[in-house]
Amino acid sequence: DGGITQSPKYLFRKEGQNVTLSCEQNLNHDAMYWYRQDPGQGLRLIYYSQIVNDFQKGDIAEGYSVSREKKESFPLTVTSAQKNPTAFYLCASTLGAVNTEAFFGQGTRLTVV
Amino acid sequence: QQQVKQSPQSLIVQKGGISIINCAYENTAFDYFPWYQQFPGKGPALLIAIRPDVSEKKEGRFTISFNKSAKQFSLHIMDSQPGDSATYFCAVRPSGSGNTGKLIFGQGTTLQVKP
Repeated sequence: DGGITQSPKYLFRKEGQNVTLSCEQNLNHDAMYWYRQDPGQGLRLIYYSQIVNDFQKGDIAEGYSVSREKKESFPLTVTSAQKNPTAFYLCASTLGAVNTEAFFGQGTRLTVV
Repeated sequence: QQQVKQSPQSLIVQKGGISIINCAYENTAFDYFPWYQQFPGKGPALLIAIRPDVSEKKEGRFTISFNKSAKQFSLHIMDSQPGDSATYFCAVRPSGSGNTGKLIFGQGTTLQVKP
């Protein structure tokens, strides 16, 4: 079955530590996205990538970094510079930049301990 | 900046009733208006979507009404069922040559359908 796989489902981070969230898709989609979800704020765009080896900042990119070395993979690193990282992180993909439906993964819940 | 405002924040409806969720946007340069449904601990999934050249779209019990002049669109769930209990997000997609496929989401509405 085609889809988007995010791992891990739950992640705990200590203060000052970098952590990387995995996102893999087998839909052969060109574009991939990372969103952050906080209660009462909807989903906010962190980074997106339209093609391999290229990515753009979204609305809340500070404290995050990404890479797109393979079409199927778009990992997100939450760095120690992100002051409030506790949130639900969602990865999504679309067939192209101007297509319609975005497919989402099941999310990773990150908690700072 | 808040480009999409969604209301209400939460909604309780009796089984068989009509659920109505509204969204208003502040910029006219959008070309796609989807609604996503999200169950707890899961990622959102596309429910229904509309483009600005039509005023209404219906798929089963779900209907989008679109008012371009008022910059508003709404989701109507007819004959609401307990299985519809979820969080609903409206979204808009910027149009134009710089379109990236990214979406701007509303704040979400938590719907509870009571048996």
